[in-house]
Amino acid sequence: DAGITQSPRHKVTETGTPVTLRCHQTENHRYMYWYRQDPGHGLRLIHYSYGVKDTDKGEVSDGYSVSRSKTEDFLLTLESATSSQTSVYFCAISDPGQGLFSPLPYEQYFGPGTRLTVT
Amino acid sequence: AQSVTQLGSHVSVSEGALVLLRCNYSSSVPPYLFWYVQYPNQGLQLLLKYTTGATLVKGINGFEAEFKKSETSFHLTKPSAHMSDAAEYFCAVSDRGSSYKLIFGSGTRLLVRP
Repeated sequence: DAGITQSPRHKVTETGTPVTLRCHQTENHRYMYWYRQDPGHGLRLIHYSYGVKDTDKGEVSDGYSVSRSKTEDFLLTLESATSSQTSVYFCAISDPGQGLFSPLPYEQYFGPGTRLTVT
Repeated sequence: AQSVTQLGSHVSVSEGALVLLRCNYSSSVPPYLFWYVQYPNQGLQLLLKYTTGATLVKGINGFEAEFKKSETSFHLTKPSAHMSDAAEYFCAVSDRGSSYKLIFGSGTRLLVRP
């Protein structure tokens, strides 16, 4: 299994409070991703990173920010949590492997998830 | 924009019966195609993938999927269901021009009856 950990694994917080979720990898993969999983929606991409300090938005980025100061860590921050952000959050990693312009797809490996409840 | 449709949010089969989970994509250019499985309270695990070449792809745990360009489909099958196959299954695609990003279907929960 890919070495991906997420912390915390469970969190309950109140509306309006800031929350930071951490993803840590030991695989030295270039790409890291944050997804949220909600019933009926599958997984939706929040933000991703393609290198240290290089990040970009996904399809559901409003209300979230990210930071990546080290290859191994990717942080997801909810500046002011809302009830609509109650979800299960997954981190994933991938790497070109054969080089930046490899024609092959980047397989993504997923962490165990963080269940966040905003009351 | 690319989209993925999984028909049936829940599929129920008897143990030993054929499993068929359906996935269709929207792109006119064949993308890369994936099936992931999620067991309760766990992350996603790659079952199989199609990139190029042979259209019938074999994965782990006896699953296979066939890429049909004419039908823009990538349905997942297993000849004989086991109780341990009960999980949620996600189809995902990535465009060949931006293969670092995955687009997921909404998932199908497979229930296996004794």
